[in-house]
Amino acid sequence: EAGVTQFPSHSVIEKGQTVTLRCDPISGHDNLYWYRRVMGKEIKFLLHFVKESKQDESGMPNNRFLAERTGGTYSTLKVQPAELEDSGVYFCASSPLGGRNNEKLFFGSGTQLSVL
Amino acid sequence: AQKITQTQPGMFVQEKEAVTLDCTYDTSDPSYGLFWYKQPSSGEMIFLIYQGSYDQQNATEGRYSLNFQKARKSANLVISASQLGDSAMYFCAMREGRGYGGSQGNLIFGKGTKLSVKP
Repeated sequence: EAGVTQFPSHSVIEKGQTVTLRCDPISGHDNLYWYRRVMGKEIKFLLHFVKESKQDESGMPNNRFLAERTGGTYSTLKVQPAELEDSGVYFCASSPLGGRNNEKLFFGSGTQLSVL
Repeated sequence: AQKITQTQPGMFVQEKEAVTLDCTYDTSDPSYGLFWYKQPSSGEMIFLIYQGSYDQQNATEGRYSLNFQKARKSANLVISASQLGDSAMYFCAMREGRGYGGSQGNLIFGKGTKLSVKP
């Protein structure tokens, strides 16, 4: 069974440009999460989809970030325009719906975003 | 205030020895779950072990065990018989509450501890 896949694995862009990150969750997982880790800091929650709906987007830093999950399958996270402080590793995670509170999240390998 | 604190930025352990990675947490929710994840150099976050706030016994998964001290709000990870492949970043995380309609809430992470196993 394929795990959570993220694309691209690395992205280097200039300030002001647009970048779109993609996440393919494990097939059948209705919960999809985006996280970000800025170097040296905690992994921070960005938002949570349940199927195609945004369950919780309290962690989104500002309106330059737009996440979508059309059809409830893969998700994209667009940063437009990118700023220097957006650099970091963006993780996607998924889990099945209806699990108990001990349901673990399955993570992808992340996208390393560098904004120059 | 930080909800998850990992005070050890880096740790060294000799191969075959045991090591304890510290984690303290802060929550007022009586229902919560504690997770440990491993992140090797490949980047993927790998689930290791889970402890629920109402669990009476400490969780164990193979060479991993969780030293859960509820009154002290600590959830230290113990790795027995360290192997070279255990060298990685280790993250402690917490989920508060019981979830919503079958949808579990997000995880709150600590800053991580980098473990290096020496041959």
